Amino acid sequence: DAGVTQSPTHLIKTRGQQVTLRCSPISGHKSVSWYQQVLGQGPQFIFQYYEKEERGRGNFPDRFSARQFPNYSSELNVNALLLGDSALYLCASSFGPPGNYGYTFGSGTRLTVV
Amino acid sequence: GDSVTQMEGPVTLSEEAFLTINCTYTATGYPSLFWYVQYPGEGLQLLLKATKADDKGSNKGFEATYRKETTSFHLEKGSVQVSDSAVYFCALSRPAGGTSYGKLTFGQGTILTVHP
Repeated sequence: DAGVTQSPTHLIKTRGQQVTLRCSPISGHKSVSWYQQVLGQGPQFIFQYYEKEERGRGNFPDRFSARQFPNYSSELNVNALLLGDSALYLCASSFGPPGNYGYTFGSGTRLTVV
Repeated sequence: GDSVTQMEGPVTLSEEAFLTINCTYTATGYPSLFWYVQYPGEGLQLLLKATKADDKGSNKGFEATYRKETTSFHLEKGSVQVSDSAVYFCALSRPAGGTSYGKLTFGQGTILTVHP
């Protein structure tokens, strides 16, 4: 079975641009979470979706938004990119309600803002 | 709010040495505790977990015990290998229910390098 897949793996954007990152969870997993990992730090929680509804939001500005589709895949959108948005963006999926099941992480999307 | 503190790193050991990476947490109630490992260029892999006080998680020779009285979840391994070189993250999550359940709160990570 395929694990959590994220695309693209790397991308470079210019300040002020917009970016969309994509995540496909493990088949049968209904929960998707997004994390930002700045170099040298632990991942920081951005969003959590379960059954296509937002169930949690971290301390990130409104420039960050996300959604979950009927097939449980998810997109993370970041508008008006800043240099500080450069990071590894990780997607994690879980079978059931967040907190009751373990998470499986994807390999991430490395975003560089120049 | 919830927080996780890991020992300062990096940690450098010789092969077959004993490993301890300290982790303490601040949280109300009874969170679940995790250790994740991140190899270069990869995402996070769950190494082990414990969901209640005095539980011991173990995997691939690594162990950690959930100590409620000291709010700690230290990672140990009796004999490390070169292949254990990676970044190790301690994390906690809340059980189902409430507005922040399921969210993982991570420590800052500890870089482990094992030399032959």
